[in-house]
Amino acid sequence: EAQVTQNPRYLITVTGKKLTVTCSQNMNHEYMSWYRQDPGLGLRQIYYSMNVEVTDKGDVPEGYKVSRKEKRNFPLILESPSPNQTSLYFCASSLRGNSPLHFGNGTRLTVT
Amino acid sequence: DAKTTQPPSMDCAEGRAANLPCNHSTISGNEYVYWYRQIHSQGPQYIIHGLKNNETNEMASLIITEDRKSSTLILPHATLRDTAVYYCIVRVRNNFNKFYFGSGTKLNVKP
Repeated sequence: EAQVTQNPRYLITVTGKKLTVTCSQNMNHEYMSWYRQDPGLGLRQIYYSMNVEVTDKGDVPEGYKVSRKEKRNFPLILESPSPNQTSLYFCASSLRGNSPLHFGNGTRLTVT
Repeated sequence: DAKTTQPPSMDCAEGRAANLPCNHSTISGNEYVYWYRQIHSQGPQYIIHGLKNNETNEMASLIITEDRKSSTLILPHATLRDTAVYYCIVRVRNNFNKFYFGSGTKLNVKP
């Protein structure tokens, strides 16, 4: 089944403890992206990648890192999480820019 | 990319057509109109997109006005499972980095 898989679905952590949220797609998509969703702010793009080893900042990249070493994987790294990064995170992919986005089921992160 | 304006919420009776409007008065000639929906806190789901012609697929129909400044998503026979937040987005084709979701319209389908 074609899908975007995020892990974990839920994560509770403490301030400053490095964490990684994984994202994998099995559709051979070139484009992948991370979003965060907060009440009243909608979905905001964090980082995106147009292909392997090509990444760029979205609208809210501060405090996050990403890597794209393989086409299928696009992990989101929080080196030193802070409470303001408590949010619902979505990974998405698309074949190319003229294709619809496919979203994962989300990761709910709580930083205390 | 142009921004969109949608009503915050709408109600629809089960079995009736749901017509969700979207205003995109600053849309430019190379921007497509996309519709997504989000059920509870699941990942947004693609519904349909179009440039200037009306489009139809198994989920919905998209009607774009001749001047392209507004559009309507039509769910022909709404069910309770169609209760969701619907997002109208305009986006330049092949513009990878910008995809503004806005606040969307909460559609409440009632029995």
